[in-house]
Amino acid sequence: SQTIHQWPATLVQPVGSPLSLECTVEGTSNPNLYWYRQAAGRGLQLLFYSVGIGQISSEVPQNLSASRPQDRQFILSSKKLLLSDSGFYLCAWSVGGGGYTFGSGTRLTVV
Amino acid sequence: KQEVTQIPAALSVPEGENLVLNCSFTDSAIYNLQWFRQDPGKGLTSLLLIQSSQREQTSGRLNASLDKSSGRSTLYIAASQPGDSATYLCAVRPLGGGYQKVTFGTGTKLQVIP
Repeated sequence: SQTIHQWPATLVQPVGSPLSLECTVEGTSNPNLYWYRQAAGRGLQLLFYSVGIGQISSEVPQNLSASRPQDRQFILSSKKLLLSDSGFYLCAWSVGGGGYTFGSGTRLTVV
Repeated sequence: KQEVTQIPAALSVPEGENLVLNCSFTDSAIYNLQWFRQDPGKGLTSLLLIQSSQREQTSGRLNASLDKSSGRSTLYIAASQPGDSATYLCAVRPLGGGYQKVTFGTGTKLQVIP
């Protein structure tokens, strides 16, 4: 079956510290992968998407970066976190004409 | 630019009631529309996916309809239960656009009172 794993579930990091959030997909090949951020009381904002290994597109300028070192692995990173990076981060995948499947999310609090 | 609206933003109903959640979109050139539920602090769980050529999809007590001409989709929940309490979001994928072009609604927060 197709599953998506995202970790950690919660993270509290000081301002200026690095960040690495990981997402892995099982049960499918060559998925499109996405990182979204959901701020409190606001909608979902697409941060990055990837159609293949090493192919990353950014939707908004920001303090974050993404990488796809393997077909089913998507990583969200930052070298130095800002307070404004706090939020709920969601990884998702899709294949062909199917819909999205989302991970369980990571609650990031930058203090 | 596609705009997706979900009204009302919040809804409270007694257990057992049948209810309808609305999703309106401004551009009818869509590829598909997907309904999700989101529990507090959790990810989005897919409920139903309606392709552009379809009129409705059903899963258990849920039925989603799509009317492209009027730019509207509805999610019908039969015999609501307290476990249905969550935020419901719709997402519209445009025709000719990849998933990077998907537009999400801001959701309807549903509370089912026992």
